[in-house]
Order: sequence, then structure tokens, then C-alpha cells
Amino acid sequence: ILNVEQSPQSLHVQEGDSTNFTCSFPSSNFYALHWYRWETAKSPEALFVMTLNGDEKKKGRISATLNTKEGYSYLYIKGSQPEDSATYLCARLPYSGGGADGLTFGKGTHLIIQP
Amino acid sequence: DAGITQSPRHKVTETGTPVTLRCHQTENHRYMYWYRQDPGHGLRLIHYSYGVKDTDKGEVSDGYSVSRSKTEDFLLTLESATSSQTSVYFCAISESMLFQGGNYGYTFGSGTRLTVV
Repeated sequence: ILNVEQSPQSLHVQEGDSTNFTCSFPSSNFYALHWYRWETAKSPEALFVMTLNGDEKKKGRISATLNTKEGYSYLYIKGSQPEDSATYLCARLPYSGGGADGLTFGKGTHLIIQP
Repeated sequence: DAGITQSPRHKVTETGTPVTLRCHQTENHRYMYWYRQDPGHGLRLIHYSYGVKDTDKGEVSDGYSVSRSKTEDFLLTLESATSSQTSVYFCAISESMLFQGGNYGYTFGSGTRLTVV
């Protein structure tokens, strides 16, 4: 994998159901993996920053896991609510020997929660 | 949030004219970034800065230049705007490259919608 890839591109989920989506990224020179939530007409907001293989982070009903060896991360939403409707972005930060390379973003998963 | 502001919010300009977008932060963060967002593409990095007068190119830097003369300001200049530079431009700031726990994600500005006609 050369770029950060997210799947699915879009997802419709019934309110109350749980869902998850995937971020795949190059495993070489890995430093950190970010997840952002981006609501329409707003700016992306950071959800999680993960650095260690096996990391698991949780924020309310949302959680994320990280596998740096195989280059993937999952984002889980439990008991989806209408306010969870947003585009979820993942982004990879490469290791650059103490440099300051920016994040490389995936194209996002557009989540729509249907009442 | 008032920690990072972009100006202008919207701009329409003509092909061939120079345009400067401003990003201003009050957080005293070291790292600042300019991204563009286009349909069918993720956020793509244009340029970034890791300190006053320290900048470097990102993935899509052709046709853009930047300057950072003060910690709080990061300017993006389109020397001669083209229609392909019609986009939404986001500035982002970051406190540290070294994650010492906590959530050191980027903080994004509200974006500048630029239309080149």
C-alpha cells in the first residue's frame, strides 16, 4: 500500500446499530496514525492519535485500534446516533528522523445515520 | 475556536493574479500546515512550517509559496492564480511532533474557499 486508503467510501447505518470502518496505510517508516471527525460546514476535529502497535483508544461510543505491522486501523462506533453523521478521516504521519513531515490523509468514510 | 483563524473566508480572483491567504494562531504552536481539499481527493499537503522562517514543501506545492516571519502567522501565496487552484484551503497547527500522551492532533482553521475565474 502506497497511500492511505479508507473503506468503505460511504456508509448508511440505522440509528442504534454499531458500525466500523477501515484505514489502510504503508507500514514502513510509521510514526503515528490520526483519526478525525469532519462534520459538514465545519473543520476536521481530532478524535485519536495512536502510535504503538496494538494501541486501542476510546472516546465515549467511539473506539479505534491500530496494527502497525500490517498497516491498518479500525474505527468503531457503538450504538450510532444521528449526531455521529460525519466524514471520518484517517491520516498517517511518517517517521522522518525528527523532522516535521505533515500528515497524509485518506479520502474519508462518509457516515450517514438514518433515524 | 479562536485559536486559529484563516482570512479571507471566501475569495474570488481572476486567473493570473497573485493571491495571499493568511493563517493566524494564538496557541504558540511550532508547526503549521497548509492543505487543500478537492472533491475526489483527501486533504493534500501544500507546504508546512516547523518554525519561524523554516518551511518545506508538501505533496502539491507547485504554484504555491509560503512565508512565516512570526510564530503566529503562516501565509500561503499563489503567485499567479490558475483555475486548477480553485479549492478550499485549510490551515492546521500542531503543538508537538513528539507525542507524550494525550491527543496531539492537528487543530484546523475554518477554511478559505478560493475561486479562480
